[in-house]
Amino acid sequence: DIQMTQSPSSLSASIGDRVTITCQASQDINNYLNWYQQKPGKAPKVLIYDASNLETGVPSRFSGTSSATDFTFTISNLQPEDFATYYCQQYDSLPYTFGQGTKLEMK
Amino acid sequence: EVQLAESGGGLAKPGGSLRLSCEASGFTFSDYTMNWVRQAPGKGLEWVSSISRTSSYIFYADSVRGRFTISRDNAKNAMFVQMNSLRGEDTAVYYCAVSQRSIGSFDIWGPGTVVSVSS
Repeated sequence: DIQMTQSPSSLSASIGDRVTITCQASQDINNYLNWYQQKPGKAPKVLIYDASNLETGVPSRFSGTSSATDFTFTISNLQPEDFATYYCQQYDSLPYTFGQGTKLEMK
Repeated sequence: EVQLAESGGGLAKPGGSLRLSCEASGFTFSDYTMNWVRQAPGKGLEWVSSISRTSSYIFYADSVRGRFTISRDNAKNAMFVQMNSLRGEDTAVYYCAVSQRSIGSFDIWGPGTVVSVSS
């Protein structure tokens, strides 16, 4: 199974900050990686697909980059509605696996 | 608008059974792979099962293989999962999700249905 190691597990930030979350795959996943946002009591929502492509309708302050098996998710100019939990997920091979999640909290 | 709606959750005893349904609308259901993903209370996301467009390919996580059975009815725009031999660790919110962009990518999710397994 492909392990997705996501860090940090939690993060405190302020409005207007730039925040970065990383995810490392245990093997090559050919950039088949999504980033999801999940708010309490709600289903996850895709923000970034194929490691670096912004989902339609998602604000441009969200971005994703990749370098081999290392993936980075960035929110620039943090907004109040961005406080949530974020997950990475690989869909290169079965079983599809998620990172452990990063809870973004207001400082 | 693409919409998914799960139903069938509830309380079951260990060793018991439940059947979840996922009704789809707003897209051509028969064109896409469908999936179940679950989330235990306070925990992360776990992929459970996937079924291809014509049910030719079916996959399960090791944690549910042999106990859960996924199926779909394209004429009714619906997907199902029969959950047998339920365990406490199956307690979770169960989401259905459609893979529209790539197989294994969970592009649109339903709101989820809660399954609790307890004596």
